Amino acid sequence: GAGVSQSPRYKVTKRGQDVALRCDPISGHVSLYWYRQALGQGPEFLTYFNYEAQQDKSGLPNDRFSAERPEGSISTLTIQRTEQRDSAMYRCASSLTDASGYPHYEQYFGPGTRLTVT
Amino acid sequence: GQQLNQSPQSMFIQEGEDVSMNCTSSSIFNTWLWYKQDPGEGPVLLIALYKAGELTSNGRLTAQFGITRKDSFLNISASIPSDVGIYFCAGRRSGGSNYKLTFGKGTLLTVNP
Repeated sequence: GAGVSQSPRYKVTKRGQDVALRCDPISGHVSLYWYRQALGQGPEFLTYFNYEAQQDKSGLPNDRFSAERPEGSISTLTIQRTEQRDSAMYRCASSLTDASGYPHYEQYFGPGTRLTVT
Repeated sequence: GQQLNQSPQSMFIQEGEDVSMNCTSSSIFNTWLWYKQDPGEGPVLLIALYKAGELTSNGRLTAQFGITRKDSFLNISASIPSDVGIYFCAGRRSGGSNYKLTFGKGTLLTVNP
């Protein structure tokens, strides 16, 4: 079946512009996560959705970052007034829930969006 | 943000050799996970560990969950060229934030045929 897809795969933008990154999770996965991965680092948690509810946004670096998942499926991560330090790989992941209703430990990652702010 | 201490940062080995990498944390995790990331792809789960002391194998891969719940290691036996990639450890806690994975910085593995 189809995995997690993200678009665009590459985005180059000028400092000060807004960008919107899209994630299409695996069908039926109610849990959705956004991570940011700098070069030479592991993914770092940004935010988590359970269906359409944003349960945790503690990893978002500042208020220029926001995310939504209005219908509990596709999600958009928006960065306003981009800065050079925002340049990174942005990864989306999704998972099922386990028998207890908690997010399953196995998260399926998308290929990421490589954002470059010039 | 917090990242786990993963070592070594990189390894360059000959095909057929065994490989070992490990991960440590200053705090306890209830689940340890090992992922592999190929170029241009997202991380893919290799092995999951749930109990302190647990030793789990998946083909040529063997991983252990440390007794203190603050560390884990991954061994790859008889390496082959397709083992090339970046290996990440990740920890997950129980309780309210059990959805959140904390990753190591990765071990870049290169296998010389």
